[in-house]
Amino acid sequence: DAKTTQPPSMDCAEGRAANLPCNHSTISGNEYVYWYRQIHSQGPQYIIHGLKNNETNEMASLIITEDRKSSTLILPHATLRDTAVYYCIVSASYNTDKLIFGTGTRLQVFP
Amino acid sequence: EPEVTQTPSHQVTQMGQEVILRCVPISNHLYFYWYRQILGQKVEFLVSFYNNEISEKSEIFDDQFSVERPDGSNFTLKIRSTKLEDSAMYFCASRVDRSSYEQYFGPGTRLTVT
Repeated sequence: DAKTTQPPSMDCAEGRAANLPCNHSTISGNEYVYWYRQIHSQGPQYIIHGLKNNETNEMASLIITEDRKSSTLILPHATLRDTAVYYCIVSASYNTDKLIFGTGTRLQVFP
Repeated sequence: EPEVTQTPSHQVTQMGQEVILRCVPISNHLYFYWYRQILGQKVEFLVSFYNNEISEKSEIFDDQFSVERPDGSNFTLKIRSTKLEDSAMYFCASRVDRSSYEQYFGPGTRLTVT
């Protein structure tokens, strides 16, 4: 599985968009990009995933660059409840469904 | 909304004792997983389980670990002889089927080995 690189921490003001970057320069053509988050010590929570195209759901948007070497998770209107560790995971789901978590980005949303 | 549940929320055991961590996955899900997270460290994959068989396991999942789906609803993780280094948060997860990409995680069981 491709390795990902994320900034260790970020801050965001409540109500503003939070843009969390992820570098996955060694991603291969059949690998998906997944985003999960972990609030305090709770179980990780799925946010969104994508292969090539940008994706949007009720929680977030995922922007994947054309060369697929990086992506950005966007929380359009961050709230205090979005304070969490955000994990970018790259995985080829056709041959494995295990999730390999890195250290993620600790997002602090402040009032 | 359906959710994965885990019991107990906190288990304290002595080194060398056997422990069983229990999980009830979401009812129509077919794929099941255990992960663990040592305090302050990454979430680590342990094992995946499908059709009453282990699909994949990590190096952590040695002979001291076993998993079972005894009755069609519970999914258990057994550690035969616990070590101090087994102290961690253990998360169960489930996935509905092969076409789904989302793993649903439970709240975790904190295992403390003394």
